[in-house]
Amino acid sequence: TQLLKQSPQFLSIQEGENLTVYCNSSSVFSSLQWYRQEPGEGPVLLVTVVTGGEVKKLKRLTFQFGDARKDSSLHITAAQPGDTGLYLCAGGSYNTDKLIFGTGTRLQVFP
Amino acid sequence: GAVVSQHPSWVICKSGTSVKIECRSLDFQATTMFWYRQFPKQSLMLMATSNEGSKATYEQGVEKDKFLINHASLTLSTLTVTSAHPEDSSFYICSASGVGGARSYEQYFGPGTRLTVT
Repeated sequence: TQLLKQSPQFLSIQEGENLTVYCNSSSVFSSLQWYRQEPGEGPVLLVTVVTGGEVKKLKRLTFQFGDARKDSSLHITAAQPGDTGLYLCAGGSYNTDKLIFGTGTRLQVFP
Repeated sequence: GAVVSQHPSWVICKSGTSVKIECRSLDFQATTMFWYRQFPKQSLMLMATSNEGSKATYEQGVEKDKFLINHASLTLSTLTVTSAHPEDSSFYICSASGVGGARSYEQYFGPGTRLTVT
């Protein structure tokens, strides 16, 4: 069974701080997506990385796919209250259309 | 682009009744739709995968007779929770893929449906 473990599970920080969320697995994925979900809403796709070692930047967010395609990280610089939410990584399979979702990281940014 | 809608956004029903949830891709053709269930403060749990015109593939442990899925067209999939019980109360979310080209593996999510069974 493919599992994606995210750490930390919870993160509570002050506005302006930096943070990194990790997404780790023993399995190899064809792609890795990051989503952000707010309470009572569906997840919103932030980024997709498909190449081992790939780094993508989205304003204050930096995403990296591990060289071996087994792990990924999300770094947020100068966090803002609007970044508050549940962050989910999801790995794509070579064999199916299914995504394997990570365990989630709940981020709270206080003003 | 890649907008997915769900209806209703919330529903309250009595135990023993059935509830239908619709999932629509508004601006693209979804060759595959997925149904997830999410418990409070937890990640998403895949229930089933449906392809247009064929039977849904259910994940292990999901009762196919209880959660009926129909993918009648490239823009519409429905999930019917039959003979609902309080333990079926949850947040149900659909997603769709099939935008096409190299990004067909991405899934775009609907806003979710909160089901409460009394």
